[in-house]
Amino acid sequence: GAVVSQHPSWVICKSGTSVKIECRSLDFQATTMFWYRQFPKQSLMLMATSNEGSKATYEQGVEKDKFLINHASLTLSTLTVTSAHPEDSSFYICSARDRLAGVIYEQYFGPGTRLTVT
Amino acid sequence: RKEVEQDPGPFNVPEGATVAFNCTYSNSASQSFFWYRQDCRKEPKLLMSVYSSGNEDGRFTAQLNRASQYISLLIRDSKLSDSATYLCVPDNYGQNFVFGPGTRLSVLP
Repeated sequence: GAVVSQHPSWVICKSGTSVKIECRSLDFQATTMFWYRQFPKQSLMLMATSNEGSKATYEQGVEKDKFLINHASLTLSTLTVTSAHPEDSSFYICSARDRLAGVIYEQYFGPGTRLTVT
Repeated sequence: RKEVEQDPGPFNVPEGATVAFNCTYSNSASQSFFWYRQDCRKEPKLLMSVYSSGNEDGRFTAQLNRASQYISLLIRDSKLSDSATYLCVPDNYGQNFVFGPGTRLSVLP
């Protein structure tokens, strides 16, 4: 149980284009999903917290107009990198909490999306 | 003080060795703690959850010291497949996770 999928697993795009990454909880419902970014040899950095049916909460320094997050259902959150630039090239990982987990705060991670902007 | 501090390593140990990692955290209100392992270019995978003083699962033992605000992970009889980065994560009232740099372990044949 507790499987999270991401699509695509890798993407190469040209500078200035937009890329959408999907994160799905496959066997549980997630009112809260998280988006992280990880650069080589660095730790995961939280970008934003995505709440079903409401606006995402962005961490300091993350541009909300550049990284658009939509959490339209209990099993799907999307991250759109708009007008991507080479410095946006990174490993993007989502995670989700089970809505029914109560006080168990484990997060289950998707396999990640490797974005390369040329 | 950083929210989570870990010795980044790398820890290079021979197969069969016992190795321990420490992690200190700053939020004294944290109730739950998690150890994740992350392989190179992969997502973190939950290794162990700790809700009380500790937890044990096979070769892995986690111990929590709330007074000193640190949590340790002990790996016995190390296997080559244990080579990874180990991430200590205290919860933040069920909100976001703050990841530290992790501790890199290399188990050598």
